[in-house]
Amino acid sequence: RKEVEQDPGPFNVPEGATVAFNCTYSNSASQSFFWYRQDCRKEPKLLMSVYSSGNEDGRFTAQLNRASQYISLLIRDSKLSDSATYLCVVENTGNQFYFGTGTSLTVIP
Amino acid sequence: NAGVTQTPKFRILKIGQSMTLQCAQDMNHNYMYWYRQDPGMGLKLIYYSVGAGITDKGEVPNGYNVSRSTTEDFPLRLELAAPSQTSVYFCASVEHYSNQPQHFGDGTRLSIL
Repeated sequence: RKEVEQDPGPFNVPEGATVAFNCTYSNSASQSFFWYRQDCRKEPKLLMSVYSSGNEDGRFTAQLNRASQYISLLIRDSKLSDSATYLCVVENTGNQFYFGTGTSLTVIP
Repeated sequence: NAGVTQTPKFRILKIGQSMTLQCAQDMNHNYMYWYRQDPGMGLKLIYYSVGAGITDKGEVPNGYNVSRSTTEDFPLRLELAAPSQTSVYFCASVEHYSNQPQHFGDGTRLSIL
């Protein structure tokens, strides 16, 4: 079983839509969780960390469910500039990071 | 503050040639990583280092070597380039505390022909 699994999509949504991505992880002892954004095979850039109580940053909301071992990312009021690949990243002990394959999002005018 | 710097940005190699991909960070991070990313795939860990003088294999180390003589630098060496090593290579670093995200370099696009 892969350490981190994501639905690769693609997700094609109209501007203004709300879209949600889920990611599951296999190691119950995983310590930290992140969502990264990657454009056209450029370097991944941190979108947000995911905290146990859930957290919000503008139009983006991240949730963690340790019991079910998944994290989610919700994007509200989608913008054209949100088009990218979203990577789920899980950190296990010893600063070992595991990446999902990414979920592709295209926001359509 | 430059962050993580990778050189070169692009390179074309012939089969059997060797080269070194450079990675440097100026954030005094102990942990550094090399990943490769193939089209449509996630990042796969090649090698990582937890500090100067310490390196360890990741998921896909075959065909690569690394060294870590200083905290700042973590070069990745390809000894006998093969077409299967055509990929985009990313270097990353992180503080050794948990809950800290990795910082990535811009990447090196490598083609082996």
